[in-house]
Order: sequence, then C-alpha cells, then structure tokens
Amino acid sequence: NAGVTQTPKFRVLKTGQSMTLLCAQDMNHEYMYWYRQDPGMGLRLIHYSVGEGTTAKGEVPDGYNVSRLKKQNFLLGLESAAPSQTSVYFCASRLAGLVATYNEQFFGPGTRLTVL
Amino acid sequence: QKEVEQDPGPLSVPEGAIVSLNCTYSNSAFQYFMWYRQYSRKGPELLMYTYSSGNKEDGRFTAQVDKSSKYISLFIRDSQPSDSATYLCAMSLQGGSEKLVFGKGTKLTVNP
Repeated sequence: NAGVTQTPKFRVLKTGQSMTLLCAQDMNHEYMYWYRQDPGMGLRLIHYSVGEGTTAKGEVPDGYNVSRLKKQNFLLGLESAAPSQTSVYFCASRLAGLVATYNEQFFGPGTRLTVL
Repeated sequence: QKEVEQDPGPLSVPEGAIVSLNCTYSNSAFQYFMWYRQYSRKGPELLMYTYSSGNKEDGRFTAQVDKSSKYISLFIRDSQPSDSATYLCAMSLQGGSEKLVFGKGTKLTVNP
C-alpha cells in the first residue's frame, strides 16, 4: 500500500501560469481533501470531496478548482497562479461513515509550490 | 474568536522532560479530539484519538480532554529527540463529520 501520494513534490510557477496537483490514494477511501499549510496559519481546507463526482468548498477555495472523476484521484487546479498561493499543499483521505474512528485522515507527503 | 486556539511555540525542552501541549476550543459541540504529529517536511500523521472527556494513554503519550473547560492536552513523558516535531490538535463535531478543525500546531524541539 502506497497510502496517499502527491505529484509533483516541488514546483515553481510564474504569476499567471496554471498547474494541476494530483493526489492518489489506494485505500479505497470515499472522502478526500486538499489543504494548504502556511507559517502561522496552520492547515486550511481548500476543497474536499465525499465521493466520486462530488466536490465542496472549504475554508479558502478562491483561486482553486478541483475534480474527482475517479474515486482514487483528487485533482487540485490553479488556473492563474498568484504569489499568495505559495504554500505547501497536502492531500488527505479517509473512510466515510459514522463510526468514530473513521475520522482519521491520512495525509500525503505534500507539494511545495512557489509562485514568483 | 477562532474555533480552535493552539500556542504555536516554539517549545524547547531537554531530553527526558515532561512536555505539555494544549488547545482550547469554543464550540461545545465538538465530541472527537485528535492529536497529529508532523515531522519537518512530512505530512501530519495521527498520534492519539479520544472521545468526549477523560484521559487516554498510549506508551509515553497521554491525551486529556476537559469538555467543561473546552480544553485538551497532550502530555509526553520522558521526551526523546525523536519527539521533535510539530503537534497539531484537531477536533470534529461527530464521528462521521466530514471535516476536522485543526489548531495551528505547536513546534516542539527536544534537545539531547
């Protein structure tokens, strides 16, 4: 089991460029999440998905789009990158359901993005 | 007022010290409380998980929840240099709740 993987690990963009971050999980999890982590700001939820074909906005969705065409993949897109989007991006996944322990989110290793 | 408050530190202790990490929260509906550990340049990973009030122990780690005070703690006994990491508290409204609310994390360094 690879768990949650993220591609790429590092990326440098110029302002206005676009890119897509890929998250893949092999644990058959229904829920998937995209966070950004900035110094002093903690983890902030960008978008999330509760199943294939569904997406929902999180705390800081502006400037990002997502798609969940396959259960195992969750894509995060930046259409026109801005320096304010320089951050470390984490993907996470978890099981669905009401069982308490299903709350555990499994995180990927992160993507370090710099926008110049 | 933020839903979850956590002192970012940094916290620096000598090896063998007892470490206390804390979070306060404002939403009394939170029922599930977690501590994640994040090593430098890695993703967070779940360390401890507790439900409602009380203590939970796992080796050198003890998680404590005081719902009446809206206060949770993580204690690390006999701290080791390998415990050096950022510790994030997280909480949710119910077992199947879609989202977790995270604290900002406390950076801990244990010096040999």
